[in-house]
Amino acid sequence: GAGVSQSPSNKVTEKGKDVELRCDPISGHTALYWYRQSLGQGLEFLIYFQGNSAPDKSGLPSDRFSAERTGGSVSTLTIQRTQQEDSAVYLCASSLMPSGRLWTGELFFGEGSRLTVL
Amino acid sequence: GEDVEQSLFLSVREGDSSVINCTYTDSSSTYLYWYKQEPGAGLQLLTYIFSNMDMKQDQRLTVLLNKKDKHLSLRIADTQTGDSAIYFCAEILTGGGNKLTFGTGTQLKVEL
Repeated sequence: GAGVSQSPSNKVTEKGKDVELRCDPISGHTALYWYRQSLGQGLEFLIYFQGNSAPDKSGLPSDRFSAERTGGSVSTLTIQRTQQEDSAVYLCASSLMPSGRLWTGELFFGEGSRLTVL
Repeated sequence: GEDVEQSLFLSVREGDSSVINCTYTDSSSTYLYWYKQEPGAGLQLLTYIFSNMDMKQDQRLTVLLNKKDKHLSLRIADTQTGDSAIYFCAEILTGGGNKLTFGTGTQLKVEL
């Protein structure tokens, strides 16, 4: 597709269950980000992948959260043993980092996956 | 610190100007951005400004940057109902890699 695609768009789960959220970035984009959006909290950075470099995991809130990016394209965010405070919209974004040219910082966001933990 | 703060709500009448404000605490920011999020959608880049500039104009949008006060604002002239959305400011820090730090977002409501 032309844009960043995320699935599922909505997920309701029970406390303690594991969930996987998927992100398909724009083809050719080398950078991929996960953010979490909670009411009144703005966007919270979770993790960032850039090419073959080690990901920046500094925003992951606990070891229940993990993410991988296979083949430099699709990414999966996994939350284990979900808690009610994990309820939020999880946003994925991708960007093309041009080499040798100025990066404008434009991220292309998907529509998000809304996670509700009961 | 990397806190980026915005007021949560702003209501204006159609045709008036809107001014959305943002304050940040880290003076080492290199670029600053305004993103727009329409209901049920992801964020979209509106405009950006380099930290060595103090103003940027783009059609109905004017961005003002006061580095001394660490204050960024977005002015929307002739605000329309289609401008109703959440507006986020964001920054990239010097030495922070390519990670954008976003503010809490300001919900703009445009009334007829």
